[in-house]
Amino acid sequence: KAGVTQTPRYLIKTRGQQVTLSCSPISGHRSVSWYQQTPGQGLQFLFEYFSETQRNKGNFPGRFSGRQFSNSRSEMNVSTLELGDSALYLCASRRAGDLTGELFFGEGSRLTVL
Amino acid sequence: QKEVEQDPGPLSVPEGAIVSLNCTYSNSAFQYFMWYRQYSRKGPELLMYTYSSGNKEDGRFTAQVDKSSKYISLFIRDSQPSDSATYLCAMSSISSGSARQLTFGSGTQLTVLP
Repeated sequence: KAGVTQTPRYLIKTRGQQVTLSCSPISGHRSVSWYQQTPGQGLQFLFEYFSETQRNKGNFPGRFSGRQFSNSRSEMNVSTLELGDSALYLCASRRAGDLTGELFFGEGSRLTVL
Repeated sequence: QKEVEQDPGPLSVPEGAIVSLNCTYSNSAFQYFMWYRQYSRKGPELLMYTYSSGNKEDGRFTAQVDKSSKYISLFIRDSQPSDSATYLCAMSSISSGSARQLTFGSGTQLTVLP
């Protein structure tokens, strides 16, 4: 069974640009969450989608947005990039009906903002 | 103050040592407790999961939860160089809406020296 797939794995952008990251969850998983990981703040929750609807949102500015498609694939977008947005962006999927929070993570998209 | 506190380390031990990793938390609503392991340039992977106070053992790994003290631990016996990774504690509650959101510790970087 294929795991969570994230693309691109690495990217470099400059301040003011925007970026779109893609995530394909494990087959059959309908919930997709996004996390930002930085050395200073650790893993921070961005948002979660289920059946194309955003169910939860973390404490991030409106420049961070996401969406989910009917095939459960998800994208997140960051507009007007800032230096502080440099981070590893992790996508995770969850089994249907799971209440515990067990997540299956992808390998992440490492974003560098210059 | 963060909801989950974890000593960031780094922690360096000789091969064969017993390793103790710890997290404290402040939110008494947390019911599910997890330990994730993250190798360099990879996404986190679930290592252990518990939902009650007490110990849970899996091979060389033991997860311990003390809800009265709001303290969780992960013990690694007979540590191996392959255990070198960052260990993240994570927690979630069963409250509606937040059950799907994990709160992570900042991670402890462990190096096991051969």
